[in-house]
Amino acid sequence: DAKTTQPPSMDCAEGRAANLPCNHSTISGNEYVYWYRQIHSQGPQYIIHGLKNNETNEMASLIITEDRKSSTLILPHATLRDTAVYYCIVRVGSSNTGKLIFGQGTTLQVKP
Amino acid sequence: DGGITQSPKYLFRKEGQNVTLSCEQNLNHDAMYWYRQDPGQGLRLIYYSQIVNDFQKGDIAEGYSVSREKKESFPLTVTSAQKNPTAFYLCASSDWYSGNTIYFGEGSWLTVV
Repeated sequence: DAKTTQPPSMDCAEGRAANLPCNHSTISGNEYVYWYRQIHSQGPQYIIHGLKNNETNEMASLIITEDRKSSTLILPHATLRDTAVYYCIVRVGSSNTGKLIFGQGTTLQVKP
Repeated sequence: DGGITQSPKYLFRKEGQNVTLSCEQNLNHDAMYWYRQDPGQGLRLIYYSQIVNDFQKGDIAEGYSVSREKKESFPLTVTSAQKNPTAFYLCASSDWYSGNTIYFGEGSWLTVV
């Protein structure tokens, strides 16, 4: 699975959009981009995933560049409860071997 | 509500004792997984099971054992052979029909005293 690079930390004002970038320049054609977040002492929470097209769900939007070498997770209206470590992961979508390479992630601090 | 239930949330073990962590899912998922997370670190795969009565070792299986007798259950035993068992343990599951997205339980903290 490809490696990802994320900034170690970011701040965001409450109510504003949080844009979290991820670089995955070695991504393969059959690898999906997944985003999870983890609040201290809890299990990672799935947010969203995509292959080529931009995706949106009730939690967030995922913007993937045309060359697929980077992506951005957007939380449209960040709240204090969105403070967490956010992980960007790439993996083969059809794989059920459980291989997930979590890097250090981005610690998002939402401030009042 | 469907989900993954891990128990206990906190567990203390004396050195030399085996302990078993429970993981139950009612999502009807075929695949289940166990991960270990150390403070400030990413997840490492211990074991995974793609179907009932079958499982494979992950990256750090030494000192651990699992069973998969039922689709909804995947217990993890941390044996006395595991030299540094204090960690946060996460159970997860996935299903082909949901795109093999992996969903996690809330985790179990194991501390060796």
